[in-house]
This record gives sequence, C-alpha cells and structure tokens, in this order.
Amino acid sequence: RKEVEQDPGPFNVPEGATVAFNCTYSNSASQSFFWYRQDCRKEPKLLMSVYSSGNEDGRFTAQLNRASQYISLLIRDSKLSDSATYLCVVNYGQNFVFGPGTRLSVLP
Amino acid sequence: DTAVSQTPKYLVTQMGNDKSIKCEQNLGHDTMYWYKQDSKKFLKIMFSYNNKELIINETVPNRFSPKSPDKAHLNLHINSLELGDSAVYFCASSQWEVNTGELFFGEGSRLTVL
Repeated sequence: RKEVEQDPGPFNVPEGATVAFNCTYSNSASQSFFWYRQDCRKEPKLLMSVYSSGNEDGRFTAQLNRASQYISLLIRDSKLSDSATYLCVVNYGQNFVFGPGTRLSVLP
Repeated sequence: DTAVSQTPKYLVTQMGNDKSIKCEQNLGHDTMYWYKQDSKKFLKIMFSYNNKELIINETVPNRFSPKSPDKAHLNLHINSLELGDSAVYFCASSQWEVNTGELFFGEGSRLTVL
C-alpha cells in the first residue's frame, strides 16, 4: 500500500463548480499535512496547510481526520486558473511524502 | 532573485554517461532535498540533507551520489546513466525547526537518457 493515496482523476468540471479531493495516508505517526499545487511542467508550490480543526483560505477548505487518516480539499466556485494537479503531502520528521496527485481541469 | 536554482534545466545524454545537477538556495534554509518525478508524475524523495549531514537516503541506486559542500548547496551526481533515470529532478529546501511544511522547489531539471 502506498504511503499517501489520492484519486488520480482527472476531474473535469465547469467554471463555478465545487470540487472535492480526497487523500488517505498510512503512517499513523504522520505529524503535519499539506496540499500542494503543481501546474503543468512547473514545480510544486504550497497551497495550504491542513489543521485538525479544518481551515479555510478563500475558496479553499481543507479538512483532516486523524482517526480515519483522511485529508480533503474542497474548492468552491472553480476558476479556469485552478486547473492544475493537487498533491496531498504528509510529513513526519523532515520527510515530506507526496501523494500521486489529482488532476483538475476547469472548463469554460 | 531565484530562491532555489538548479542547473541545468534540460539534460539529454546517452546511456552509460555520468552527469551532475547542481542546486543552490539563497533562503538561508538548513535542509535541502532531491526529489524525482517520473513519467507517471509521482514525486518521490531521494535524499535529504540537514546542515550538510545526510538525514534521508531512500532506496536509490548507489549510482546516485549527493554532495553538499555547504548548507546552501546540494548537488546530485549520477553515474552510468540508465534509460529508467529519465525523469524531472527537483531540488527543494526548507527550514528544519520551523517546519511550516513549505518546501521551496527549484524549477526542476529534466533529464532524458537515450
């Protein structure tokens, strides 16, 4: 079983749609959790951290369920510029483990 | 001024050759990483150095040898290149004790082995 798993997609959604991504992780010692975004042929960049209480940043909401070892990302009112691959990242110590990513295409 | 810079950006070479990729960060971070992203886009850690000390060494063939002359540099040397080494190699840095989860990546070095 991979350490971090995600639905690979692709998710093709119209502009304005709400889309949710799921992620599960296997290492219960994991300490911190993040969502990164990677545009085509570019480097990954931090989108947001994920806290146990859930957190929101504009149109983006992240949730963490430690008991189920599950992380989610919700994007509301999708924009064309949200098209990218979304990477779930789990950290323990100084090891950042990336999921395989979920590709999102927002269509006009 | 680029925070994490890696060179070269593109590298095309023949099987069996030896090549190096250089990485430098000007963020003052104490931890640097090499990640490999293969054709399936899976980003996998290879090495991590903290203050020039190797702290993570995943299952990577010993043809790959990282070198950290100082905490701002982490170079990757690859001997006897194989077809399966073709990938994008990303260098990244972070600050250990802060651990905000923000890895700062270089733009990647796309290696093609023919």
